Amino acid sequence: QVQLVESGGGLVKPGGSLRLSCEASGFIFNDYYMSWVRQAPGKGLEWVSYMSGSGTHTNSADSVRGRFTISRDNAKKSLHLQMNSLRGEDTAVYYCATVLLQYGSPAALNYWGQGTLVTVSS
Amino acid sequence: DIQMTQSPSSVSASIGDRVTITCRASQDISTWLAWYQQKPGKAPKLLIFGASSLQSGVPSRFSGSGSGTDFTLTISSLQAEDFATYYCQQANNLLSFGGGTRVEI
Repeated sequence: QVQLVESGGGLVKPGGSLRLSCEASGFIFNDYYMSWVRQAPGKGLEWVSYMSGSGTHTNSADSVRGRFTISRDNAKKSLHLQMNSLRGEDTAVYYCATVLLQYGSPAALNYWGQGTLVTVSS
Repeated sequence: DIQMTQSPSSVSASIGDRVTITCRASQDISTWLAWYQQKPGKAPKLLIFGASSLQSGVPSRFSGSGSGTDFTLTISSLQAEDFATYYCQQANNLLSFGGGTRVEI
């Protein structure tokens, strides 16, 4: 069965950096687009970034572009999110998810991890 | 950017009720719309994609409809396990979510 396990969350000061990881199992990892989605405490869902199976196609939300970088290691079946210049508003639970494609384009997020909490505070 | 607006923000309902949640896109997104269910402390669960396609394993009491800018998620007969928050998400231009609708007793 599909399993996604995030790690790397924690407390970081404003302006600091953090690298999240997502270990995948139960499916052919390099066949799938993967995505990060976050949820601030008590708030709704916000899409962050996604990457194609080969790693050649990526996209990110305006709110994180230039600060966050998505990457993947297909040999290790892992997805990463490098977060730099962190701000208080980046405080959230970060989920990784597999991307369901329709007609070759991202359409939905069909499997999710349990999330990892990132807190940005001095 | 495409903005997604859900209504209502919360709805009170009883077991067996028919519940309808609406999602409106700020521009035409064809049928690039998905719906999710999220329970407290848990990850979201995909219910519907392509506006009306039921994800495998999701009960048939859930259905989705709409195209263009106006979409609906319907729960035909509310069950106890359906009390949760529901989100729509567009995929016409990158991805973005609606603000959520809480279904409560």
